[in-house]
Amino acid sequence: GAVVSQHPSRVICKSGTSVKIECRSLDFQATTMFWYRQFPKQSLMLMATSNEGSKATYEQGVEKDKFLINHASLTLSTLTVTSAHPEDSSFYICSASPGTNEKLFFGSGTQLSVL
Amino acid sequence: AQKITQTQPGMFVQEKEAVTLDCTYDTSDPSYGLFWYKQPSSGEMIFLIYQGSYDQQNATEGRYSLNFQKARKSANLVISASQLGDSAMYFCAMREGRGRFSGGYNKLIFGAGTRLAVHP
Repeated sequence: GAVVSQHPSRVICKSGTSVKIECRSLDFQATTMFWYRQFPKQSLMLMATSNEGSKATYEQGVEKDKFLINHASLTLSTLTVTSAHPEDSSFYICSASPGTNEKLFFGSGTQLSVL
Repeated sequence: AQKITQTQPGMFVQEKEAVTLDCTYDTSDPSYGLFWYKQPSSGEMIFLIYQGSYDQQNATEGRYSLNFQKARKSANLVISASQLGDSAMYFCAMREGRGRFSGGYNKLIFGAGTRLAVHP
């Protein structure tokens, strides 16, 4: 089946620094990728839709200047958490679809801890 | 408004028994898809089963089946012959869209999840 690779799986950073998370579709092209955020013992909340070659679409309440999304190619989307603060600590997970396929495939997630 | 509702925060089942995880949804879009994902403690999201709003039959995938009751807007997951490895969080999700060939816009909205514990 389709594989989505997410890197890094875990990152610890100091408050005020920026962190970049990569999401790659390994065996298919993805014009659209999605970024989710999950707090402990909670559900996945959609943050934004990443569109190849155009600006990302952010969900209500998500700061686009805080969470920068770049979808530079058909196989790579990046999420950069800028000037991270402890409240940004969370599990971030990306997903992608080959297009007409109904399934969304998920990366393995990134656990971000901001000290 | 809550689009996906999972009313069971936690469920217990004996190994080899069947278990039903509830999911109700709310949409005015005639074209939609319903998904179930499993999330073990490692955090990965594992696709289990899919049901399209126009599908005539209930979806089945091995030990997983989806009890789709369109009029009641419910899409319950049935796991038969539970195994210890089935212990995990289970999420129901919905995609509203323009149909199967909508061009890949597959935003999923997730329910709160149900934690399933399988006991030996």
